[in-house]
Amino acid sequence: GAGVSQSPSNKVTEKGKDVELRCDPISGHTALYWYRQRLGQGLEFLIYFQGNSAPDKSGLPSDRFSAERTGESVSTLTIQRTQQEDSAVYLCASSLRQGGSYEQYFGPGTRLTVT
Amino acid sequence: GENVEQHPSTLSVQEGDSAVIKCTYSDSASNYFPWYKQELGKRPQLIIDIRSNVGEKKDQRIAVTLNKTAKHFSLHITETQPEDSAVYFCAATLADRGSTLGRLYFGRGTQLTVWP
Repeated sequence: GAGVSQSPSNKVTEKGKDVELRCDPISGHTALYWYRQRLGQGLEFLIYFQGNSAPDKSGLPSDRFSAERTGESVSTLTIQRTQQEDSAVYLCASSLRQGGSYEQYFGPGTRLTVT
Repeated sequence: GENVEQHPSTLSVQEGDSAVIKCTYSDSASNYFPWYKQELGKRPQLIIDIRSNVGEKKDQRIAVTLNKTAKHFSLHITETQPEDSAVYFCAATLADRGSTLGRLYFGRGTQLTVWP
């Protein structure tokens, strides 16, 4: 079946502009995660959605970052007033709720470049 | 919250040798420990995981061991091949029964290079 998809695959924006990144999780996966990965670095947790529960926003680096999720489907990560340090690959992942299946399936990522 | 430390940050081995990557965690409640492999320019993918009710799990050339008392777990790759070259991430979390897990706490990653 279809995996996690993300769009756009690449985004170049000018410093100070807002950007919106999209994630389409695997159908039926109730959990959705956003991570940031700077070049050559590890996976930095940003936010986690689980069903209708309040999201875990503990990883968002500043109030310029926000994310929404529509039910158990699409999620958008918005970065306002982008800065050069926001340049990174933004990865989305989803996982299944039932059956004790814990694997996180990652999308291909959106490479964001802030000039 | 949980804190996962991973060592070494880089590891170079000759083809055919074994590679070992070690992680420690801080929260004794964590009960699920996956390992992800990320090839250059690709997305991370799960290669093996272990739950706290077992001490070791094997899948062909890879194995993971867990020491709950010491709060550390390790990835072992035997008979390494050039295609094993990648960044490997360990992670830990508390996974509730019958429910999806919460956030994964990742280590910083280990760049493994296997020389032919």
